[in-house]
Amino acid sequence: QKEVEQDPGPLSVPEGAIVSLNCTYSNSAFQYFMWYRQYSRKGPELLMYTYSSGNKEDGRFTAQVDKSSKYISLFIRDSQPSDSATYLCAMSGNQFYFGTGTSLTVIP
Amino acid sequence: DGGITQSPKYLFRKEGQNVTLSCEQNLNHDAMYWYRQDPGQGLRLIYYSQIVNDFQKGDIAEGYSVSREKKESFPLTVTSAQKNPTAFYLCASSISGQPDSPLHFGNGTRLTVT
Repeated sequence: QKEVEQDPGPLSVPEGAIVSLNCTYSNSAFQYFMWYRQYSRKGPELLMYTYSSGNKEDGRFTAQVDKSSKYISLFIRDSQPSDSATYLCAMSGNQFYFGTGTSLTVIP
Repeated sequence: DGGITQSPKYLFRKEGQNVTLSCEQNLNHDAMYWYRQDPGQGLRLIYYSQIVNDFQKGDIAEGYSVSREKKESFPLTVTSAQKNPTAFYLCASSISGQPDSPLHFGNGTRLTVT
């Protein structure tokens, strides 16, 4: 079983839609949770960083962590074509573990 | 602007040749990392270093070597012993190297070996 599971998509939504991206994990020791955005041929860019369970909001982005279910989510409100990218979840225990990424396309 | 600079962006080599990928950071971060990214796979850790003159193997270190002679520099050498070297290589850094210190990435080097 992989440490982190992420649906690769691809996910295609119309502009303005709410996007939900999700990851599950198996190690209950993970305490720090991150979401990265990666544009084609670029490195991942840190979007959200959260500790333990709960929600964190930053502009149109909301990160949610449910440690009891070992489930994390990233919500994007009012999605824009510029949000089209691959989104990677990551979490850390003794080292960092990454999901394989979900490819998102926002159609104008 | 602070950041991580990887060079070159694209690199082409013949099989059997060693090649070195450059990574420089001006964030004053203690820890630096090398990851490999292949389609359909998560990022895989090659090597990491938490302090100058010290580094540890990651999950896929075979066929790779690193050095950390300066805090701001962490070059990666892909040797001829690496069986499948064609990939996208990402360098990252973090403030402390501890789990509560998120990674910041450069823009990668795409290596093609033929």
